[in-house]
Amino acid sequence: DTEVTQTPKHLVMGMTNKKSLKCEQHMGHRAMYWYKQKAKKPPELMFVYSYEKLSINESVPSRFSPECPNSSLLNLHLHALQPEDSALYLCASSPLITSGRRTGELFFGEGSRLTVL
Amino acid sequence: AQSVTQLDSQVPVFEEAPVELRCNYSSSVSVYLFWYVQYPNQGLQLLLKYLSGSTLVKGINGFEAEFNKSQTSFHLRKPSVHISDTAEYFCAVRGYNFNKFYFGSGTKLNVKP
Repeated sequence: DTEVTQTPKHLVMGMTNKKSLKCEQHMGHRAMYWYKQKAKKPPELMFVYSYEKLSINESVPSRFSPECPNSSLLNLHLHALQPEDSALYLCASSPLITSGRRTGELFFGEGSRLTVL
Repeated sequence: AQSVTQLDSQVPVFEEAPVELRCNYSSSVSVYLFWYVQYPNQGLQLLLKYLSGSTLVKGINGFEAEFNKSQTSFHLRKPSVHISDTAEYFCAVRGYNFNKFYFGSGTKLNVKP
C-alpha cells in the first residue's frame, strides 16, 4: 500500500466556519507534511510532523491548526479563514532520514481543494 | 541552506520531439534530488529520484535525468514526448540530514500535436 488518502477532495466554507482536512497513510512513514499550493505555483510547506510531534511550522497563521493523533493520521483544522486561503492543500509522508531508509521521497495525496467564500 | 532553480517556466514542444527540462540546485551539503509531475487538479507524482550511485537515473513514462555534481544540475529528459506528458514538472531537493524538501518554481510542459 503506497497511498496517501486525503478527505474531502473539495471543501467550500465561509469565513466564520470551522472545518477540518484529513490525511491518512499506512506506509509506516513517521514524517508527515502539509503543503499549500496556489494555482501555477510550487507546493509551499506549512507544517512537518516527525514521530507525531510538530517539528516545523513555517510561520503559518494560527487560523490553521495541525494535529497528528497517531502515526497514520494527520489533520488540518481550519477556522476563520480568508478568501486568500483558497488553494489546493496537499498532504505528504516520507520515511524519516534518521530511520536509515533511503527511499527518501515524498508521497503525496491527491489534495483537498479548498474554497473560502 | 538549499535552493532549487528551474530555469524555464514554460516549455512548448511538438509531439514526438525530444525535451529537456532544466534544474539547478545549490546546497552546502549532499542532497537527494527528485523530479515530480503534477497533472491538473491532482497531487504530485514521483517521476524519478537520485539518491546515490549512477548519475543517470531512469524513471517512469520514459523520463530520465542526469545528476551533474560539478554543475549542480539535475536536468530531466525524454527522447520523444506524447500529448499525455503535458503537465507541470517540479524539481526538488532534500538534504541528507533534513526532513525538509525544497521545490523549484515548476516548468509547464506543453506538448502540441
